[in-house]
Amino acid sequence: GENVEQHPSTLSVQEGDSAVIKCTYSDSASNYFPWYKQELGKGPQLIIDIRSNVGEKKDQRIAVTLNKTAKHFSLHITETQPEDSAVYFCAASGLGSGTYKYIFGTGTRLKVLA
Amino acid sequence: GAGVSQSPRYKVTKRGQDVALRCDPISGHVSLYWYRQALGQGPEFLTYFNYEAQQDKSGLPNDRFSAERPEGSISTLTIQRTEQRDSAMYRCASSPISGNEQFFGPGTRLTVL
Repeated sequence: GENVEQHPSTLSVQEGDSAVIKCTYSDSASNYFPWYKQELGKGPQLIIDIRSNVGEKKDQRIAVTLNKTAKHFSLHITETQPEDSAVYFCAASGLGSGTYKYIFGTGTRLKVLA
Repeated sequence: GAGVSQSPRYKVTKRGQDVALRCDPISGHVSLYWYRQALGQGPEFLTYFNYEAQQDKSGLPNDRFSAERPEGSISTLTIQRTEQRDSAMYRCASSPISGNEQFFGPGTRLTVL
């Protein structure tokens, strides 16, 4: 089955700097990769996603890149702000292959220092 | 409602008791998913439904765990004869149809003493 690895487990950056979180997946059939932000006491919220027919997607300060050959995808946050501090999870899913469940990474705790 | 709701938010029970956790998805959402999240880990898939049909229950740990969605809306996850290792956050998510963004609820924190 699918396995998703996520690094680093914790990340501290100065406000205004960039943050990068990386994930690798094992199942070449996976074709949908969402990123979720989880704040303390709340459920995960989708912040950006990418499908396998696209190599990069950007939404304001957030971008995701996908390398299908290497089976890895990354989240990039630029100009970080204190409110970006949270736990971030990547996930992989095999849409269209009947596998709609998400396999999540273990999470990255991002701390943005003011 | 505006989002996925779950009840109770917190449940403390004694080992051996049965518990029922409820999920109320976003109105009109066809697909409903159950995940379990241990502290410091990502959510782990348990089962999912399209309408009232259980499509995949491959993530249920053992036969003490079951789920239903009889009318294609509210779902209940039942854990029989609870054990301490069942303690975790149980999260529900829904999506308009299979394959679309999953919206997560706030979760039920289950503690088995």
